[in-house]
Amino acid sequence: GAVVSQHPSRVICKSGTSVKIECRSLDFQATTMFWYRQFPKQSLMLMATSNEGSKATYEQGVEKDKFLINHASLTLSTLTVTSAHPEDSSFYICSARKGAGGELFFGEGSRLTVL
Amino acid sequence: RKEVEQDPGPFNVPEGATVAFNCTYSNSASQSFFWYRQDCRKEPKLLMSVYSSGNEDGRFTAQLNRASQYISLLIRDSKLSDSATYLCVVNIGGTYKYIFGTGTRLKVLA
Repeated sequence: GAVVSQHPSRVICKSGTSVKIECRSLDFQATTMFWYRQFPKQSLMLMATSNEGSKATYEQGVEKDKFLINHASLTLSTLTVTSAHPEDSSFYICSARKGAGGELFFGEGSRLTVL
Repeated sequence: RKEVEQDPGPFNVPEGATVAFNCTYSNSASQSFFWYRQDCRKEPKLLMSVYSSGNEDGRFTAQLNRASQYISLLIRDSKLSDSATYLCVVNIGGTYKYIFGTGTRLKVLA
């Protein structure tokens, strides 16, 4: 079946640094990918929709200058958390869909801890 | 009112029990429906898509009721390994928009 891979799975960084998370679709092309964050015991929160070859669409309240998204190819989207602060510590997950209206496939998630 | 609603639970059931979850949606343009399972500190994984005629996969049965705008998931003969959070996901027809329920937490007890 389709696989979406996310890297790194875990990252610890100092406050003020930037962290890049990669999301790859391994056996299909994904023109659209999604980025979410999830706090403990809470539901997934959609942050933005990543569109290949164009700007990402951000959800209300998500700072586009803080969470930079680049979707440079049909198989790769990246999320960069810029100038990370402890409150950015969270579980970040990406997903991609295979075809319109099809199921979403999720990456393994990236657990970010900002010290 | 949330676009997709689920009872958060937790549902605590003994091994071998049958348990059912419902998920209601408000957007009549909803076209595709899915149940995902999410284990603690892990990503969601597709459990099953939900088809108009209903569908079954082993111990799991999914139903769709368009008139009343809800989907359901039935788990028979619950196993300890079924303990997880079950997410209802709805795709709005003709769009890339997927709406997530908050999830229903299931604990199967020995």
